[in-house]
Amino acid sequence: GAGVSQSPSNKVTEKGKDVELRCDPISGHTALYWYRQSLGQGLEFLIYFQGNSAPDKSGLPSDRFSAERTGGSVSTLTIQRTQQEDSAVYLCASSPGRLAGGRETQYFGPGTRLLVL
Amino acid sequence: DAKTTQPTSMDCAEGRAANLPCNHSTISGNEYVYWYRQIHSQGPQYIIHGLKNNETNEMASLIITEDRKSSTLILPHATLRDTAVYYCIVRATGANSKLTFGKGITLSVRP
Repeated sequence: GAGVSQSPSNKVTEKGKDVELRCDPISGHTALYWYRQSLGQGLEFLIYFQGNSAPDKSGLPSDRFSAERTGGSVSTLTIQRTQQEDSAVYLCASSPGRLAGGRETQYFGPGTRLLVL
Repeated sequence: DAKTTQPTSMDCAEGRAANLPCNHSTISGNEYVYWYRQIHSQGPQYIIHGLKNNETNEMASLIITEDRKSSTLILPHATLRDTAVYYCIVRATGANSKLTFGKGITLSVRP
């Protein structure tokens, strides 16, 4: 079946503008994660959604970052008043959500490459 | 999550086996060992995972030592397309088991 999809694949914006990044998880997956990867760095956890539970926002770097998940499926990551240090690849992953997290494989999308000028 | 240690890089001849080591000496009894890889400009790709026993799938084999303090990912017949950064991750079984990626090991497969 279809994998995780993300859009746009590339986004160039000016400092101070807001951006929205979209993630479509694998159909039926209730767990959804956002990560970001800065140039030459490892992946950094941002936020986690599981079903109707309150999201784990512990990885969000500042209050300029927010995410929502509507209808338990599609998720949108919003960055307000973008800064140059927000430039990175933003990756979304999903997993079935039926087992305790450490026992489930996360499947990643191709990412959105964000460049803030 | 327990910390993992991997060499920075290694290379391998095409068609030969690639053995990628990982140390996780502080792993807890309920933590899994996961391997992902990231080919340039793509999202991470799941390879394999295990708890105690050795595992094999169509991509690779995972050998975990009896004391679970280290493991080896084996790509039996490396191809040029296996050139990537390989991440060894130890992951707790909590409700939110986010993946904590380190720097990984860069595998270069040469013709």
